[in-house]
Parts: sequence; C-alpha cells; structure tokens
Amino acid sequence: EVQLVDSGGGLVQPGGSLRLSCAASGFTFSSHWMHWVRQAPGKGLVWVSRINSDGSTTTYADSVKGRFTISRDNAKNTLYLQMNSLRAEDTAVYYCARSNATRTFDYWGQGTLVTVSS
Amino acid sequence: DIQMTQSPSSLSASVGDRVTITCRASQSISSYLNWYQQKSGKAPELLIYAASSLQSGVPSRFSGSASGTDFTLTISSLQPEDFATYYCQQSYTTPLTFGGGTKVESK
Repeated sequence: EVQLVDSGGGLVQPGGSLRLSCAASGFTFSSHWMHWVRQAPGKGLVWVSRINSDGSTTTYADSVKGRFTISRDNAKNTLYLQMNSLRAEDTAVYYCARSNATRTFDYWGQGTLVTVSS
Repeated sequence: DIQMTQSPSSLSASVGDRVTITCRASQSISSYLNWYQQKSGKAPELLIYAASSLQSGVPSRFSGSASGTDFTLTISSLQPEDFATYYCQQSYTTPLTFGGGTKVESK
C-alpha cells in the first residue's frame, strides 16, 4: 500500500525557518517525481515545488523561489522541504504528493500545518 | 502561467442528482487535465486523470470529458459521500495550476 506521511509543521515566527519531511513507503520511491502542494486556511490548492526521481532537477513556484529548497534522500525514502525567510502568507497545510508520468498527483500525504505568526 | 477557471464555485444538490462541474484552461493543455475530490480536513484524492480516465477504485458514477480548453466533471447520481470540494488541475506545464474549487453541498 502506498503511504506518504508528512511531518515537521508547527508555529514559526516571520523570518524563521522550518524543514518539512515526507516519509514514503509501499512503492519504489526512487522511481517517482515528488511534489509539495499547499493550502492556506479556507483556500484552494497551490503547487509549490517538484523534484525529479534522482534529485538532480528541481522547480519552484515564483512565490517561494529563493526561499524554499526541495530535496530527497532515496536511501531513506524521504522527501524534504526546507523553508527559510518564512512569511505570514506561507501559512498553510503542506502536502507532499507523488506524481506519475503525466504529472498527475496520484497519492498524497495527510498534510502538515505550518503557521507563520509572531 | 496557465489559468484554470472553475465553475460554479459552489452548488447545492440532492442525493440522486446529476452534477456537472466545468473547468476552462486559459490556453491549450491537450488532455493534461485532472480532477480531485477533497473532503473537509482531508487530503485531496485523484478521481479522473487525462481528462477522462477513471482512477482505479473510483466509482463509475464519476466521469470526465473535454472539448478544446473546456473540461467537465460529471457525477451521474450524487451519493451522500460525494459532498465535498472538487478541484481541476492542469499537468501540461509548470507551474502546475489548480482551479479555484467547487464545493458541492446538500440542498
């Protein structure tokens, strides 16, 4: 059974940093592109970042470029999102998601809440 | 960026009703259009991929269709477990973008 477990969220002050993790199991993690998608409270879904299967290629939404870094450890079956210079508008539930060959999000983590507030 | 315009933003329906949700892309995306269902407090789940292909395990009352840059999600007979928010998403190019969502509520 495919499973993605998100963790690492919490309360952080503006300008602070946080690292999210997504532990994967039930599939060959090193064969799939992975993504982060976020959802602000009461709002819609917004794609944040993606990384290719071996970690050599990354892409970011303009809103997080230069502040967030996506990475992965295929030996540990884990996806990461390092978030620096956090702003109030980064407050959201962050989901990791697996994609298939057509960039469809076929499995999602349960999400982890990040709150940026003083 | 490709804009995805979803309508309506909300609708009220009864069990057994036929429900139709539309999504329009701001440019051609071929058939790179997916539909997700999100229940309150839960992660989204994939319903339809490539505009009209049913994800494994999804009931056959859900269907998708396409005409140019217009896409439609249809629920043929609404069930109690279908009250949720539905999102379209284009997977043609980055940034990957979602529609604003359609909340299906009980009439």
